Amino acid sequence: NAGVTQTPKFQVLKTGQSMTLQCAQDMNHEYMSWYRQDPGMGLRLIHYSVGAGITDQGEVPNGYNVSRSTTEDFPLRLLSAAPSQTSVYFCASSYLSGTEHLFFNYGYTFGSGTRLTVV
Amino acid sequence: GENVEQHPSTLSVQEGDSAVIKCTYSDSASNYFPWYKQELGKGPQLIIDIRSNVGEKKDQRIAVTLNKTAKHFSLHITETQPEDSAVYFCAASIMNRDDKIIFGKGTRLHILP
Repeated sequence: NAGVTQTPKFQVLKTGQSMTLQCAQDMNHEYMSWYRQDPGMGLRLIHYSVGAGITDQGEVPNGYNVSRSTTEDFPLRLLSAAPSQTSVYFCASSYLSGTEHLFFNYGYTFGSGTRLTVV
Repeated sequence: GENVEQHPSTLSVQEGDSAVIKCTYSDSASNYFPWYKQELGKGPQLIIDIRSNVGEKKDQRIAVTLNKTAKHFSLHITETQPEDSAVYFCAASIMNRDDKIIFGKGTRLHILP
């Protein structure tokens, strides 16, 4: 009963370094997304995916890349870390359901988060 | 795009009293409204949700109401308990292929002894 697994839990980077935040789910959810959480800003959507091979930008995509090669995994890449990317990052997944023409996002499951500090 | 406003940002209530958190949304096409609870050091957890074809939904001590005309929805917690202390997020979503959930900025609820 793993649900959504995020690694690492904590990370400190130097400005300009790159890294990948890992996210894996074992619920066969089609939909996966990444959010960042900053004090007073709530949860802001970075990137999301409605299935393997399909990704799209959210509210704050700059500085981040994603790919979705499998249903289970949705890694988030920081190519050149900046202090403004210091945040707590959450991965979330859910089912998509609906008719042939409509897909309905239904009940996110969140991971436990990755706390990233860029110095 | 969708914008979700949430009030208040902080709420303190006496144990046993009721708490109400209110949200408004901007896109009249939104048709799914979940609420999440986040405890310290953990990820948000879905506690209740409502779809646009329903005006109210209850689950034990929590309830959510939706007013589509005014584009606002509210979370009601009755008989509050210490374990209700947490940050609560409302959210809105639209039914389509590129569905995504937009969150409010959160309400920190303190239950006072």
